[in-house]
Amino acid sequence: EPEVTQTPSHQVTQMGQEVILRCVPISNHLYFYWYRQILGQKVEFLVSFYNNEISEKSEIFDDQFSVERPDGSNFTLKIRSTKLEDSAMYFCASSEGGTAKNIQYFGAGTRLSVL
Amino acid sequence: AQTVTQSQPEMSVQEAETVTLSCTYDTSENNYYLFWYKQPPSRQMILVIRQEAYKQQNATENRFSVNFQKAAKSFSLKISDSQLGDTAMYFCAFTTNFGNEKLTFGTGTRLTIIP
Repeated sequence: EPEVTQTPSHQVTQMGQEVILRCVPISNHLYFYWYRQILGQKVEFLVSFYNNEISEKSEIFDDQFSVERPDGSNFTLKIRSTKLEDSAMYFCASSEGGTAKNIQYFGAGTRLSVL
Repeated sequence: AQTVTQSQPEMSVQEAETVTLSCTYDTSENNYYLFWYKQPPSRQMILVIRQEAYKQQNATENRFSVNFQKAAKSFSLKISDSQLGDTAMYFCAFTTNFGNEKLTFGTGTRLTIIP
C-alpha cells in the first residue's frame, strides 16, 4: 500500500542551526501539508501546498519556515534558524484531490529536538 | 474559525467491551468533513473513519462507527469489541470543503484497552 515517507525519523540540532525535514508524498497525490505536534499537545496545521505554491499557512509558519518541492517526488520543510520551541513532531501529509481530496494520509513523522 | 473539542482526555475500557469517544465542533460552514485519526505509541497518524456532513448515514468501518449529529455538531466514535491494539490517542478532526483542506484537530483522547 502506498505511504507517505518522512526522513529522518529523529533530528537533533543546536539552537540557531538550519534543518530540512524531508517527505516523499504518495505518488499520485497533488496536495501536500505540514503539521506540527508539540509533545502532549494537539496537532497543528503549518502549511498547505498545491501546484508548486503555498495555498495557506498558519500564524506559526513565520519567516523562518519555508517549503519546497524541489523535484517530482520530494516535499521539504526548512527551518532556517531553529529555536528551542521548535522542538516537536513534524508530520507531512498528502491527499489526492478530486472526490478523495479530503482524505489526508500522514507520514510517521520526524521528531525534531532543538538543544 | 472552526474549533474541535474533545472533552475526555483519557478513557479506559476492558478488552472486548464497547467504548464511545466524544467530539464536538463549531463551524458556520454547511459542507464539511469530519475524521477520527488514531495515533498509537509509534506516533504515526492513522485514519480511522471519515464522515461527510451532507450524508445523513453514519459512517462505519468494521468495528468502528460514528454517531454524527449535525444539528448538535457532535461526532462521536464508537469502538466495538475493543482490542489491545486499539490502545492509542484518538484525534477528532475537521475540514471544510474548500481550497486548502487543512485539518483542524481536537486535543485528543488517550484510550487504554485493559486486558
